[in-house]
Amino acid sequence: GNSVTQMEGPVTLSEEAFLTINCTYTATGYPSLFWYVQYPGEGLQLLLKATKADDKGSNKGFEATYRKETTSFHLEKGSVQVSDSAVYFCALKNYGGATNKLIFGTGTLLAVQP
Amino acid sequence: GAGVSQTPSNKVTEKGKYVELRCDPISGHTALYWYRQSLGQGPEFLIYFQGTGAADDSGLPNDRFFAVRPEGSVSTLKIQRTERGDSAVYLCASSLGALSSYNEQFFGPGTRLTVL
Repeated sequence: GNSVTQMEGPVTLSEEAFLTINCTYTATGYPSLFWYVQYPGEGLQLLLKATKADDKGSNKGFEATYRKETTSFHLEKGSVQVSDSAVYFCALKNYGGATNKLIFGTGTLLAVQP
Repeated sequence: GAGVSQTPSNKVTEKGKYVELRCDPISGHTALYWYRQSLGQGPEFLIYFQGTGAADDSGLPNDRFFAVRPEGSVSTLKIQRTERGDSAVYLCASSLGALSSYNEQFFGPGTRLTVL
């Protein structure tokens, strides 16, 4: 079946540190991959996405590259800010049949300290 | 408002009671989804509507859960004979269409359900 595994948190970093949050997936076919972010007190927001192998999604300084050979979609940012503190979810969507559902990982809490 | 709205934001009920959770999608969005997020977990898919019909209800955990979308806009998730294990945040999302890889799902703020 389809599933997403992401690194457990919390991840605690100092401001301007480099961030990596690992995400690997299992899927039949060729899924699209996503990173969603949930800021404190807010709803889930799409951060970035990639729809095919070797695509790089990017937004707000975050990047993730769709690696089919390693079934990974790791999230990176070169210099985190306190405002990046949130829970990050990796997700996939497989197409075909009647479904359009997202399958999420368990989430990784990022805490950035000044 | 421009986003997905959900009411109520919080619902506390007693074991065995019936609850209804409402979702107002973004205007013009034909696809609507319900997810459930338990504490410390990622959202789990419950049901997906395309228009008025449930195109995929494979995530509903049992027959106590039911959802409707009679006019293809607002949706109601209904839970009968609630159990303590039903306590979670129930998320609603909508998107412009269904199967295109470019149809982003926009999430509402969720309804936090607590069953005592």
